[in-house]
Amino acid sequence: GAGVSQSPSNKVTEKGKDVELRCDPISGHTALYWYRQSLGQGLEFLIYFQGNSAPDKSGLPSDRFSAERTGGSVSTLTIQRTQQEDSAVYLCASSPVYQNTEAFFGQGTRLTVV
Amino acid sequence: AQSVTQLGSHVSVSEGALVLLRCNYSSSVPPYLFWYVQYPNQGLQLLLKYTTGATLVKGINGFEAEFKKSETSFHLTKPSAHMSDAAEYFCAVSYSGNTPLVFGKGTRLSVIA
Repeated sequence: GAGVSQSPSNKVTEKGKDVELRCDPISGHTALYWYRQSLGQGLEFLIYFQGNSAPDKSGLPSDRFSAERTGGSVSTLTIQRTQQEDSAVYLCASSPVYQNTEAFFGQGTRLTVV
Repeated sequence: AQSVTQLGSHVSVSEGALVLLRCNYSSSVPPYLFWYVQYPNQGLQLLLKYTTGATLVKGINGFEAEFKKSETSFHLTKPSAHMSDAAEYFCAVSYSGNTPLVFGKGTRLSVIA
């Protein structure tokens, strides 16, 4: 696609429910990143993928968070048993791995846990 | 470990005045440095980047930044602020093109008429 696409744009869920957030990167970009943006906290790195593998999972806040990427394209971030502190904007970005270049960001998914 | 410090969570300037947003980084190897802008309810958009070469980097919308290795700084400037510049600005660092960017906490720029 023309840009990084994330869905849904907004998600309200009840505490304890599972949620899935989707990211569709720019076609041909092999690197994909997930960040979490909380008010006043800047952007917190969660995980990144090179192709379908995730070399660095150190940023995932807890074992309730997981992510996968299939076909070197679409990625899903799953949060199980959501808590109120999970409320944030989740941003996805992609970049062409063979270039020293910037990451292109989607518009994010605003998650609210009530 | 890499880190980025943005001095001032909120900066307010008058329209037409100089914009200066400060960024300092820590990196044990030569860094790649970036400034992103985020308008309300939107994703991040790249303003400019430094990888190698000229230390004064020009970006979009009249912004520029200068990489100063001795000061470990990459401050963002614009000679004359416009109302449309009001947004959140993030400085980021990476030590290669393929590793995750480390972001500062952001600086919210307000422009007063």
